[in-house]
Amino acid sequence: NAGVTQTPKFQVLKTGQSMTLQCAQDMNHEYMSWYRQDPGMGLRLIHYSVGAGITDQGEVPNGYNVSRSTTEDFPLRLLSAAPSQTSVYFCASRPGINYGYTFGSGTRLTVV
Amino acid sequence: GQQLNQSPQSMFIQEGEDVSMNCTSSSIFNTWLWYKQDPGEGPVLLIALYKAGELTSNGRLTAQFGITRKDSFLNISASIPSDVGIYFCADPSNTGNQFYFGTGTSLTVIP
Repeated sequence: NAGVTQTPKFQVLKTGQSMTLQCAQDMNHEYMSWYRQDPGMGLRLIHYSVGAGITDQGEVPNGYNVSRSTTEDFPLRLLSAAPSQTSVYFCASRPGINYGYTFGSGTRLTVV
Repeated sequence: GQQLNQSPQSMFIQEGEDVSMNCTSSSIFNTWLWYKQDPGEGPVLLIALYKAGELTSNGRLTAQFGITRKDSFLNISASIPSDVGIYFCADPSNTGNQFYFGTGTSLTVIP
């Protein structure tokens, strides 16, 4: 099993550009989430999904969109990148509500 | 969102020393999870606790589920340089479908 795979690992965007961060898991997990982590900070929940076709907002959703068309994939879209979105983004999945998350290795995004 | 307070915020210790950190919540928890994040990596689950008073070990790591169900403790014995990282607590179910992490404890081990 590959676990949770995130691409790209590094990305530089100009202000106003859009892009999609990819996340795929091969563990057949129902729950998936996106977090951002700023330097010296903890993990903040952006969006999450409890199954294909179901998504909801976390604590910092503004500027980000998600969709969940399949169990395996949970892409995160930045519609118009801003410098405040410079961060490390982690995707994670888990089998159900009482389980811990398995994390990907992260995408390091810089918006200039 | 859910606020989980971890203390201390950071620790600088000598190799070989024991480490203690804790996590507290204003709500009663049913499960406590402890994660470690190595520099430049995603968090990895270390220990899961499911009952008040439960004591669980994973090598040199020992975690306890507080009897009030509002706190948890993580101890590391005989620290080594690879223990460096950020340690997070979390509860997977207390906030419904959302999943929040504590504020983190940053550990530096000085050889």
